[in-house]
This record gives sequence, C-alpha cells and structure tokens, in this order.
Amino acid sequence: DTGVSQDPRHKITKRGQNVTFRCDPISEHNRLYWYRQTLGQGPEFLTYFQNEAQLEKSRLLSDRFSAERPKGSFSTLEIQRTEQGDSAMYLCASSSGSQAANEKLFFGSGTQLSVL
Amino acid sequence: SQKIEQNSEALNIQEGKTATLTCNYTNYSPAYLQWYRQDPGRGPVFLLLIRENEKEKRKERLKVTFDTTLKQSLFHITASQPADSATYLCAPIFGNEKLTFGTGTRLTIIP
Repeated sequence: DTGVSQDPRHKITKRGQNVTFRCDPISEHNRLYWYRQTLGQGPEFLTYFQNEAQLEKSRLLSDRFSAERPKGSFSTLEIQRTEQGDSAMYLCASSSGSQAANEKLFFGSGTQLSVL
Repeated sequence: SQKIEQNSEALNIQEGKTATLTCNYTNYSPAYLQWYRQDPGRGPVFLLLIRENEKEKRKERLKVTFDTTLKQSLFHITASQPADSATYLCAPIFGNEKLTFGTGTRLTIIP
C-alpha cells in the first residue's frame, strides 16, 4: 500500500490526558500537512513540513499542540492536556512538493479523537 | 480574511440528472482552485484542479468552471449516479500556497 497511513484510526481519551497520533506519508513525498476537521466543516489547516522543517503553523494550533517530523519521513502530532473542544478528525496529507502552488494533496483516512 | 462558501450544506439530485455545486470566495482571486471528494470516515480525495486563466476543465463526467469576475467556481457531475453521493469540497489556493477548504456540500443522488 503506497497511500498515506494514519494511526490510530480512533482514539478515545479523558480530558487532561495527552495523546499522540502518527502519520506515514507516501514515501517519496517531501511535504506533509496536518489538518483538523469537525462534523459538517471542511478541513482546517494546522501545520506543514517540508522534509523535517516545520514551515508554518496555524494560529489555531495552541501551545498544547506540537508536531514533529524528525527524519523527514513519518510525523507525529501530540496534544497535551486534551480538552473536549479537541474532539475532531485529525487528517494528515502529503504531497511531492514539486510544484507547491498547485499540487494535489493525498490524504490519509484520519484519526478520530473523542475527548470525554 | 478570505471567506469560502459552498452553496448549500446538502443537495439531493435525481439519478441521471446533472448535479451543480457552487464555490464562492471573497476578496482576491486564487491562482488555482481544487475540488475534492470526501466519503464518510475517509480523507478527501483529489478530483480536479483549475487554474486562474482557465475557464473550464473536464474529466470524464466531471466539469469545473472558474469565473474570476463572479469569484465563483462551479462543479458539475453529469449523468449522476448513486455512487457519486459524497461530500464535495472546494479548495482555493491563494498566495500562501496551502489549501484552504470550504465547508463542503453533501451530495445525495437519489435512485
């Protein structure tokens, strides 16, 4: 399977706990994106990487959120001290980065987070 | 800031008819605009891209138009089928290069 994979598919946690999600992009893709999507809304941009460099972070991304892509391959998104408002689908996408302005994104199936 | 609006939250179309979905944006025009399809519990899947200087783009039963004067893109599915039922997202690309998605239109094709 050469698609984008995300793990876990579902995560249920209690408020105040920390959670970490993993994304494995398409192997030759050097750009990796994180989006968040709530019911009835389109995906909202959170952050993106060019190889291992984190180039942009949305203002939506509070200090409780951190993302890494240590070797320019897989990425992790950690949420500390989760709140009920963090409940959402967290989507990862990758792209080749060859023509940044118009390239299409390949999305994973997402991690559905429920904070109780 | 830019606002992206998709015409309606939900659209029901009889099988075999043409479904037309609308994407409107405010302020300045994007250089490109993409359309994605999203099925429940899945990530979006890329369908088509149209450039600012293109009026129309086609792919099989899909057609996208881009009118910078009206600040609008239309997405058409001709000869619609129940398998076309999904949420369709428009995603303009503005100068900062990252995709900004609309809220989506949930399309249902009724047999």
